[in-house]
Amino acid sequence: AQSVTQLDSHVSVSEGTPVLLRCNYSSSYSPSLFWYVQHPNKGLQLLLKYTSAATLVKGINGFEAEFKKSETSFHLTKPSAHMSDAAEYFCVVTPLNRDDKIIFGKGTRLHILP
Amino acid sequence: KAGVTQTPRYLIKTRGQQVTLSCSPISGHRSVSWYQQTPGQGLQFLFEYFSETQRNKGNFPGRFSGRQFSNSRSEMNVSTLELGDSALYLCASTRGTGELFFGEGSRLTVL
Repeated sequence: AQSVTQLDSHVSVSEGTPVLLRCNYSSSYSPSLFWYVQHPNKGLQLLLKYTSAATLVKGINGFEAEFKKSETSFHLTKPSAHMSDAAEYFCVVTPLNRDDKIIFGKGTRLHILP
Repeated sequence: KAGVTQTPRYLIKTRGQQVTLSCSPISGHRSVSWYQQTPGQGLQFLFEYFSETQRNKGNFPGRFSGRQFSNSRSEMNVSTLELGDSALYLCASTRGTGELFFGEGSRLTVL
């Protein structure tokens, strides 16, 4: 069975400082992992995805994530936060088996302090 | 290329009524999935349709149903509405690569 855990429900950083949003996963096989962002009253937008081609994945808006199999982690980072990054972020694992369901983390709300 | 379109964006219903929400996927996407998002439960998978067939279903009561048409457009229906059904209902389509493309959602308020 697969699962995904976002370790922080809220993260606050100052504008211009680094962002780290943590995600751990559990899977019996190499998963497909995604990060999505949701701005208020909007749908989710894909930030980046890992599908085993490269462990360091670059996404949109300066975000990147590193897949670490030994730590079962897929943390999202950005070197310098911008006010527009304030949103909720979801770590997602999708099944290889079509009988399994997509699993969303509970989300991390990122607050940017001026 | 047009994105995923959900209608209506906002609606208010009273307990006991029913509601139908619509989702038009991105052209060429044959898979459509639905999600319920609430502050308490987060994002929960409702069901997925592919080529007019329900391929997977989440843990929701039978009051929640859906269907997909031959043009891949999908509808979901909730009957006998309860206060707890108040939520943002999100639809997503995919071309099968695992990446989901979401609509902006339909916000349902049940009074």
